[in-house]
Amino acid sequence: DQQVKQNSPSLSVQEGRISILNCDYTNSMFDYFLWYKKYPAEGPTFLISISSIKDKNEDGRFTVFLNKSAKHLSLHIVPSQPGDSAVYFCAASHKMGAQKLVFGQGTRLTINP
Amino acid sequence: DVKVTQSSRYLVKRTGEKVFLECVQDMDHENMFWYRQDPGLGLRLIYFSYDVKMKEKGDIPEGYSVSREKKERFSLILESASTNQTSMYLCASSFDRFGYTFGSGTRLTVV
Repeated sequence: DQQVKQNSPSLSVQEGRISILNCDYTNSMFDYFLWYKKYPAEGPTFLISISSIKDKNEDGRFTVFLNKSAKHLSLHIVPSQPGDSAVYFCAASHKMGAQKLVFGQGTRLTINP
Repeated sequence: DVKVTQSSRYLVKRTGEKVFLECVQDMDHENMFWYRQDPGLGLRLIYFSYDVKMKEKGDIPEGYSVSREKKERFSLILESASTNQTSMYLCASSFDRFGYTFGSGTRLTVV
């Protein structure tokens, strides 16, 4: 039962353009969402998060949008840079979820020069 | 800065061996987690712990056990390694549910 889904295994974007990574979830109890970035042979690092009381959170080039009715969130990166090439994981948690994060399958983003 | 240290970056073990993966965190976090990462499957939770000597099964605990004798250390044990346990293993710690800090990972190959 995949509660958090990232349906695009990979995405290729030209440098300077916008990258949009998508994530869907099924559990309506989720109330906090995060994006992690992972380079090869390294652990994931926290990128940005959003609470369900908001529909947008921005941090520099990164913006996360949350559509609760559609159970969908997206990460926008603009402008995309070569250093953004990595695997991006969407994650979610809820109050009754025993402090666990549930992760999606990941999307490999490649930024082409 | 919270640091989570995994003792080995790369390991090669033989089928049937008992394997220990060690993880240490230095920020007094209550919660510690073991995940494995496989292509197309994302991060799957193996075991987690909320406190010393406490452990809970995650989504894929079969073939694994854990030990948490001290707050800062959480060990993952493969009782009898098999080739389908070849994977990237990631340890994480957290203070609450609002975010983890991950270690660098251990790439385990079972031959």
